[in-house]
Amino acid sequence: DARVTQTPRHKVTEMGQEVTMRCQPILGHNTVFWYRQTMMQGLELLAYFRNRAPLDDSGMPKDRFSAEMPDATLATLKIQPSEPRDSAVYFCASGLASQGGPLMNTEAFFGQGTRLTVV
Amino acid sequence: LAKTTQPISMDSYEGQEVNITCSHNNIATNDYITWYQQFPSQGPRFIIQGYKTKVTNEVASLFIPADRKSSTLSLPRVSLSDTAVYYCLVGDERSNDYKLSFGAGTTVTVRA
Repeated sequence: DARVTQTPRHKVTEMGQEVTMRCQPILGHNTVFWYRQTMMQGLELLAYFRNRAPLDDSGMPKDRFSAEMPDATLATLKIQPSEPRDSAVYFCASGLASQGGPLMNTEAFFGQGTRLTVV
Repeated sequence: LAKTTQPISMDSYEGQEVNITCSHNNIATNDYITWYQQFPSQGPRFIIQGYKTKVTNEVASLFIPADRKSSTLSLPRVSLSDTAVYYCLVGDERSNDYKLSFGAGTTVTVRA
């Protein structure tokens, strides 16, 4: 049963520390999304990749957040330094979009999320 | 302008049919309408996708009128386990934004 795997599931860290969240997309998927969810803001799209290349990261605070795909089986989201306002659930999702087609026509499979608490 | 508009919340009882209507006046010609479901403490899950007319699967039905400016997700005979947030997603050609962006969604609460 193919699924998106995120690690860690829970993370508590102190303000100022670096946090790295990892995601293993479903094998063969060419599109990866990172989301952040809070009660106040709902699901926010932070960044997404197609064939490992970043297509858009306009939703991500550039000064402290970075997203990469070192290879096709791993996507990372890093926060440095972390702040209490970064506390949220971070979701990774992957999908298979047709080449050149709009991303909206792809079904995305979500991981279980990483619950981050910054104190 | 918002891409989609859906009710914030809906209440229902077990065994009833729940219909959630989503408005998307700026839907692009080649875009599909997609609905996701999210349970507490889980990531969203794809429910159904359609382009026009009617689509049905084992979970729900999706009704799309000819002008495609709205769509209705229909959940037949809901149970307590259908309590979740339901999101309607479409593309927006005017903003050239084809991201998988979620709005506030509709919180459906099913009571016994």
